[in-house]
Formats: sequence, C-alpha cells, structure tokens
Amino acid sequence: DAGVTQSPTHLIKTRGQQVTLRCSPKSGHDTVSWYQQALGQGPQFIFQYYEEEERQRGNFPDRFSGHQFPNYSSELNVNALLLGDSALYLCASSLGQIFGYTFGSGTRLTVV
Amino acid sequence: GIQVEQSPPDLILQEGANSTLRCNFSDSVNNLQWFHQNPWGQLINLFYIPSGTKQNGRLSATTVATERYSLLYISSSQTTDSGVYFCVGSSNTGKLIFGQGTTLQVKP
Repeated sequence: DAGVTQSPTHLIKTRGQQVTLRCSPKSGHDTVSWYQQALGQGPQFIFQYYEEEERQRGNFPDRFSGHQFPNYSSELNVNALLLGDSALYLCASSLGQIFGYTFGSGTRLTVV
Repeated sequence: GIQVEQSPPDLILQEGANSTLRCNFSDSVNNLQWFHQNPWGQLINLFYIPSGTKQNGRLSATTVATERYSLLYISSSQTTDSGVYFCVGSSNTGKLIFGQGTTLQVKP
C-alpha cells in the first residue's frame, strides 16, 4: 500500500520562474493538503483540495495555486518565485477533511 | 487565534535518558496530535490524543484538554529518536496547526 508520493524530491529554480510540484495521495484517500515548511519552522498550511475544489486556504498570496485531478492527485503551482519561497513543501492526504493525515517526504525547493 | 506553543525548543540527551516535551494550545484547537519529523523531512504521526493517555513502546502522551496542554514522554532514548517533534492541533475545518517544534538530539 503506497503512501503519499511527492515529486520531484529536490528542485532548484531562479527568481521569477514558475514551478509545479506533484503529489499522489495514499490509496483510499480523497483529500490533499499542502504545507510550506521554512528552515527551522513548523509547516504552514497553504490550501486543501477535496472533490477537485479548493476547500480552504491559508495566508498565502495568489501566486500559490493548485489543482486536484479526478484520481485525487494534486499539483501545487507557484508563480513569480521569490527567494523567500525556498522551503520544504509537504503534501498530506486524508480520507475526508478532518482526520488521519499521512504526509509525503516533501519537495525541497531552492530559489536562487 | 489558534495557537500551539511547544517547549523546550531544543533538547540534547545522552542515549538512555528520559525526556518530557510540553505543548500548550489555545481554546480553538481540536484533535491534538504529535508528529516526529526525521532528519530527511518525513513526518510520522506518533499519537492522535485529544484527551487522556496513550502509550506506544517507549513513547507515551498525555493530553489534559480542560487545561489545554499535552505532554510527550520519551523513555530510554535512542539515537534514532533524534529529529523534530511537533505538537499539532487542528481547526474545526481540519486545517493542521503546527507548533514550532522541539528539536531533539540524542547522543550515543
């Protein structure tokens, strides 16, 4: 039973570029949430997708957008990258919106 | 607002020692959980503990919901226990709120 899979594991981008991160949820899960973890900090909630719609959003600018596909996988897109976007991006899946979160190993994004 | 505060921020132990990590959380936090993040970034759920006490091997956790705090106990620590321990609450919509974490280093 595969857990949450994220790709790529590492990524280096230049300021101003755009990036897409991908997440495949754990088998049987239908909800995907994205978190940003800056160095030395706890993860911060970006947004959550359920039934292919963004259900709730944290305090992140519109440069951060996402999508959920019919197979429940999800993408996180970040436009006009800033140096401050450098972080570990974590995807968590769950069945429903409340319990039983499983996290992926994350994508480490470095913006130079 | 929703707040989760952890202490201590850093902890260094000798292998075999015991430790207690503390988490204080605000009224609007539900469904208290403890996670461990290994040095490679993987987050593993240790306990879902909105109230009461649970034990899993050398780890145990207690949450006193009426007083808005939770404790994570690590006994006979091992080097593999190193990493960051997060206390995590959730809002009533399921958004996870992480504390700042306790970074634990267990020395051999």
